[in-house]
Amino acid sequence: EDKVVQSPLSLVVHEGDTVTLNCSYEVTNFRSLLWYKQEKKAPTFLFMLTSSGIEKKSGRLSSILDKKELFSILNITATQTGDSAVYLCAFTRSSGTYKYIFGTGTRLKVLA
Amino acid sequence: DVKVTQSSRYLVKRTGEKVFLECVQDMDHENMFWYRQDPGLGLRLIYFSYDVKMKEKGDIPEGYSVSREKKERFSLILESASTNQTSMYLCASSFLEGQGPYEQYFGPGTRLTVT
Repeated sequence: EDKVVQSPLSLVVHEGDTVTLNCSYEVTNFRSLLWYKQEKKAPTFLFMLTSSGIEKKSGRLSSILDKKELFSILNITATQTGDSAVYLCAFTRSSGTYKYIFGTGTRLKVLA
Repeated sequence: DVKVTQSSRYLVKRTGEKVFLECVQDMDHENMFWYRQDPGLGLRLIYFSYDVKMKEKGDIPEGYSVSREKKERFSLILESASTNQTSMYLCASSFLEGQGPYEQYFGPGTRLTVT
C-alpha cells in the first residue's frame, strides 16, 4: 500500500533557526513529490520535485528529492514567525490514477 | 491567479439533512478533487473527477456522492449528514498530467459541523 510519512510531527523553534522537515514515501510508479504550506486556511503550493538530486529553491525555502532512498527534505533557513504553519508533502503516480497521496503534515511553530 | 472558490466557509447542519458543498475553479482545469481534513489524519481523498460527468472514488467515499455537470464546478453531496462527517472539506483542482503545471490548487475550505 502506498504511504507517506512525515517527521517530525511537530516542531518548535526560535526565529533565526534553520529547520529540516522530512518526508519519506513508499509508492509504486512514482511521478512527483509536492510540498505545501498550510496556515489557517487552504494549503498553498511550494515545490514540485520529479528528479532526484536537484534542489529547488524559493527564498529561504529549499527542497531536494532522493529517489533512491525514497525521501525528500524541506529546509527553511533564518525562520520567521510567518513560517509557522503545517507543512504537507504529497506524491503522485506516473500512471493509472490522478490521485495525490498526502502525508499528515509537520506542524512548525516559530517563536519570536 | 488560479482561483478555487467554495460556496461556504462555515456550515452547520442537522443530522439526517442533505448537504451540498459547491466548488468552482476558473482555470479550465480538468481534474477536481474533494478532501476532508481531520486532526491527526491529514488530507483524505473523498472523490475526484478528471472530466465532466466522470468521477472516481477516493479513499473514503462512503456517505458521500459527487456531481460534475460542468467543467468548472464540482459538487460534494452528503446524502444524510451524520456527526462523524463534521470536518473541514477542501476542494482542489489541477491540470491533467502533461497539459500544464500539475500542482493542485486548493479552495479556502468549508468547515462543516453536523449536530
